[in-house]
Amino acid sequence: SAVISQKPSRDICQRGTSLTIQCQVDSQVTMMFWYRQQPGQSLTLIATANQGSEATYESGFVIDKFPISRPNLTFSTLTVSNMSPEDSSIYLCSVGQEQFFGPGTRLTVL
Amino acid sequence: TQLLEQSPQFLSIQEGENLTVYCNSSSVFSSLQWYRQEPGEGPVLLVTVVTGGEVKKLKRLTFQFGDARKDSSLHITAAQPGDTGLYLCAGATGSNYKLTFGKGTLLTVNP
Repeated sequence: SAVISQKPSRDICQRGTSLTIQCQVDSQVTMMFWYRQQPGQSLTLIATANQGSEATYESGFVIDKFPISRPNLTFSTLTVSNMSPEDSSIYLCSVGQEQFFGPGTRLTVL
Repeated sequence: TQLLEQSPQFLSIQEGENLTVYCNSSSVFSSLQWYRQEPGEGPVLLVTVVTGGEVKKLKRLTFQFGDARKDSSLHITAAQPGDTGLYLCAGATGSNYKLTFGKGTLLTVNP
């Protein structure tokens, strides 16, 4: 399994600002996914971020709100733009066909 | 939209007891995975099942994939406090490997 790290591990942000979350993998992976886990809830897929193509967003998620970069096979970023308290969640990246997860980024928006 | 129903949603048992968690859907999945998530951490993959009727064992945990690949169960024998956590099932369809997650079962094993 891959070793996945995320930065920051947590943050508290003001509404209207943006936060960029980084996901770093210790090996090259083609498939990378971004999820959101709202308090007490299960995981919801935001988008698929495969290297070499534009990210594919799930219903209810748009690029303007959650822009994603995937510059190479070991790294990706997810930006949460123009944040509101409803964006308070844990944001997780996962990699590979079997989807191994990073530790998550806990975001609180005031 | 594929939906995965997990039951029970909450389970509190005493150390040494056995338990079963269920994951059901009306959709057919090419594979199904079970994860355990502890507070403040990401989900950790426990097992992937891909063949209808498949049974996999991981120490005291037994995972079964239904014959029709629409449902799965996780059985824990002689539960221990270290088994406490959120258990999530997730199913994949097609070749894009996107996962649909169930709502999870929050298990508490009391010493």
